Amino acid sequence: EPEVTQTPSHQVTQMGQEVILRCVPISNHLYFYWYRQILGQKVEFLVSFYNNEISEKSEIFDDQFSVERPDGSNFTLKIRSTKLEDSAMYFCASSWGRTGGEKLFFGSGTQLSVL
Amino acid sequence: AQTVTQSQPEMSVQEAETVTLSCTYDTSESDYYLFWYKQPPSRQMILVIRQEAYKQQNATENRFSVNFQKAAKSFSLKISDSQLGDAAMYFCAYSRGSQGNLIFGKGTKLSVKP
Repeated sequence: EPEVTQTPSHQVTQMGQEVILRCVPISNHLYFYWYRQILGQKVEFLVSFYNNEISEKSEIFDDQFSVERPDGSNFTLKIRSTKLEDSAMYFCASSWGRTGGEKLFFGSGTQLSVL
Repeated sequence: AQTVTQSQPEMSVQEAETVTLSCTYDTSESDYYLFWYKQPPSRQMILVIRQEAYKQQNATENRFSVNFQKAAKSFSLKISDSQLGDAAMYFCAYSRGSQGNLIFGKGTKLSVKP
């Protein structure tokens, strides 16, 4: 089965630094998502992306966050100035369609640690 | 706002036995979907089963089945003939009919004893 690939698997950064988390969605998928999971808490939706623009974003996705699809394969999440509370597992996901019943394919996540 | 609640932080089952994981949700929408995702130690979220709200028939995928009680807003997952590989975190999730964004519960950690 095709997979969503995320790099790096672990990222350690200093508070205030910028980080870019990278994802390669499944090649024929059109919709892309970022979710995060703070340790011991539920998985939370951050943002969805389609046709080179944000479709929907949560309250968590403030001005510190941005997403981009710089080429035909990569999908990135940038955190401009990291805070301690940004420490979490970040999951990328993709789907072919947008309707609520679509199966989302998730990557294995990037564990971000902000020191 | 939609919410998803999983009241069992941890569950345990003997290998080959059956276990049921509970989930309740709250929504005012009429068109929605419910999911169970499995998160093994590798951390990758894997879809286990999906239920369309408009379907009365409970979804089934091999050893996995759901008990969907729409009026009660309950969506439990039954795992039959539990295997060691079923050990994982299980997340119940909801999405509106028009969008793919998922709202997750806090998860239930399932242990399978040999």
